Amino acid sequence: GAGVSQSPSNKVTEKGKDVELRCDPISGHTALYWYRQSLGQGLEFLIYFQGNSAPDKSGLPSDRFSAERTGGSVSTLTIQRTQQEDSAVYLCASSFRGRGPNSNQPQHFGDGTRLSIL
Amino acid sequence: AQSVTQPDIHITVSEGASLELRCNYSYGATPYLFWYVQSPGQGLQLLLKYFSGDTLVQGIKGFEAEFKRSQSSFNLRKPSVHWSDAAEYFCAVGAYSSASKIIFGSGTRLSIRP
Repeated sequence: GAGVSQSPSNKVTEKGKDVELRCDPISGHTALYWYRQSLGQGLEFLIYFQGNSAPDKSGLPSDRFSAERTGGSVSTLTIQRTQQEDSAVYLCASSFRGRGPNSNQPQHFGDGTRLSIL
Repeated sequence: AQSVTQPDIHITVSEGASLELRCNYSYGATPYLFWYVQSPGQGLQLLLKYFSGDTLVQGIKGFEAEFKRSQSSFNLRKPSVHWSDAAEYFCAVGAYSSASKIIFGSGTRLSIRP
């Protein structure tokens, strides 16, 4: 597709269950980001993938959170043993990050996955 | 490390009035700066960006922003707001290095008074 696609759009699960959230970035985009947005809050950075470099995981809130990006394209964010405080909208964004001037191109966002933990 | 501050959590302006949303950044070198808008239930849409060159940048939907290095600011402006501009606005800063992430401010919610 033309944009960043996230699935599912909504996910309701019970506390303690594991969840997987998927992000399909724009084709050719080398950078992929995950953010968390709690109700009425700003964007909390979670993790950043850039090409073949080691991901920047500095924003992951606990070891229950992990993410992978297979083949430099699709990414999956996994939350294990979910807690109620994990309820939020999880946003994925992708961009083209090259080298040299103007290499830091704007991010394109998906519509997010709204995660609700009962 | 870079950081972004949006000092106004919520702003209300009358339809047709002018608008200025504040953004202050902290970064040791020349930053890349962005403004995004988020409508309810939607992802973020890029309004405009500054990389280099002219410090006054024009964006979509009639928005503009001015990069002021001396004040470490990148304020968003619009001369006359429309009811459809009601949304959440986020300022973001990125660094030259492709290894670094883009950091977002906490956002400013804009309400429009009829």
